[in-house]
Amino acid sequence: DAGITQSPRHKVTETGTPVTLRCHQTENHRYMYWYRQDPGHGLRLIHYSYGVKDTDKGEVSDGYSVSRSKTEDFLLTLESATSSQTSVYFCATGGGSPLHFGNGTRLTVT
Amino acid sequence: TQLLEQSPQFLSIQEGENLTVYCNSSSVFSSLQWYRQEPGEGPVLLVTVVTGGEVKKLKRLTFQFGDARKDSSLHITAAQPGDTGLYLCAGGWSTSGTYKYIFGTGTRLKVLA
Repeated sequence: DAGITQSPRHKVTETGTPVTLRCHQTENHRYMYWYRQDPGHGLRLIHYSYGVKDTDKGEVSDGYSVSRSKTEDFLLTLESATSSQTSVYFCATGGGSPLHFGNGTRLTVT
Repeated sequence: TQLLEQSPQFLSIQEGENLTVYCNSSSVFSSLQWYRQEPGEGPVLLVTVVTGGEVKKLKRLTFQFGDARKDSSLHITAAQPGDTGLYLCAGGWSTSGTYKYIFGTGTRLKVLA
């Protein structure tokens, strides 16, 4: 267990509001990733980080931003939430080794 | 763009039957992982294969990496209800010194007692 905590676990928000999801790791892994999981699409990469303040876009990055000011924390922000962003969001750590996942955040945008 | 196709999407079988899940791509991967996911939890690693032609066994589960490192299979012998879950394959590669992973769409397995 890589000691990954995601918060909150569940959130309901309204369209147009900003939302921030947090991922905290205790294993000092260099790489951190944000994925979203939707039926029929599997896990799709939103953004990833390869070090403090070093981030890059994944395949579905539109409408999302990230920040990593400390090794242990990786934040995902939905700048203005839309219904299409209703999903389960997973944080993972790794890079050069198998990924370790948190237990996800279920986000509903109404 | 890397793409990983997984089949079948759904599988419902009786206890004791055998099954195979396939993961195919036109891209070459440095590594291929298989994960299993339970409801309300994140995926958990089952195995990593890195060498073309590699075969790994984990009790009743057999994993194989294709010779060209573009495809993989997961074979379960004598499936049990405890094998029920979502199985995901993931291909990993390094580009410009950074590591990325792409996932298949998953196989939802249900084993009936």
